[in-house]
Amino acid sequence: KAGVTQTPRYLIKTRGQQVTLSCSPISGHRSVSWYQQTPGQGLQFLFEYFSETQRNKGNFPGRFSGRQFSNSRSEMNVSTLELGDSALYLCASSSPPGQGGPIKGTQRTDTQYFGPGTRLTVL
Amino acid sequence: GIQVEQSPPDLILQEGANSTLRCNFSDSVNNLQWFHQNPWGQLINLFYIPSGTKQNGRLSATTVATERYSLLYISSSQTTDSGVYFCAVDLNYGGSQGNLIFGKGTKLSVKP
Repeated sequence: KAGVTQTPRYLIKTRGQQVTLSCSPISGHRSVSWYQQTPGQGLQFLFEYFSETQRNKGNFPGRFSGRQFSNSRSEMNVSTLELGDSALYLCASSSPPGQGGPIKGTQRTDTQYFGPGTRLTVL
Repeated sequence: GIQVEQSPPDLILQEGANSTLRCNFSDSVNNLQWFHQNPWGQLINLFYIPSGTKQNGRLSATTVATERYSLLYISSSQTTDSGVYFCAVDLNYGGSQGNLIFGKGTKLSVKP
């Protein structure tokens, strides 16, 4: 199977602009998560989508948003860019057991597979 | 929230040496993964190991869930093993998922 793909790989924007990043999961995977990696904060969870629904959200301002399409591809959007948004943005896809969503109390077996990332520079 | 601590933060080895990387976590977890991030930023899965021991070639990992730690062993290290190794856990509270909490990583440099 092809791996997780992300586009674009590199992006340069200026403060105040907005940006949209795209992620295509591994075929058959319905869960897509987004992470931000910076030298100061490390890897931080942004949000997770499953079957077009956001199920989990990290501690980021509302300028960060996302969506998932019916084919499981996902996009994230950052509006009103700030210098501190410069980072490597990674997405990951996984295949939860039974593809039926979360099952409370059941140990999970979903390994997350990461894409190559989009390196965003805000000037 | 849960704390994930990795040690050592930096490690320099001569090619051929063995090493052990440690990951401590502060709460019970349902998912623990080890990753290797190469110099180009790609995170590569090494192990999914919420408990027990697994081996893959020169790498092996052990998680003792009751004592809340995991170890990654690298034997006969090679220069291509250089990079940053991350441990990440998922709490899976109430069925939530896809939320991996990462440690700060161990930066490994293997010298020829």
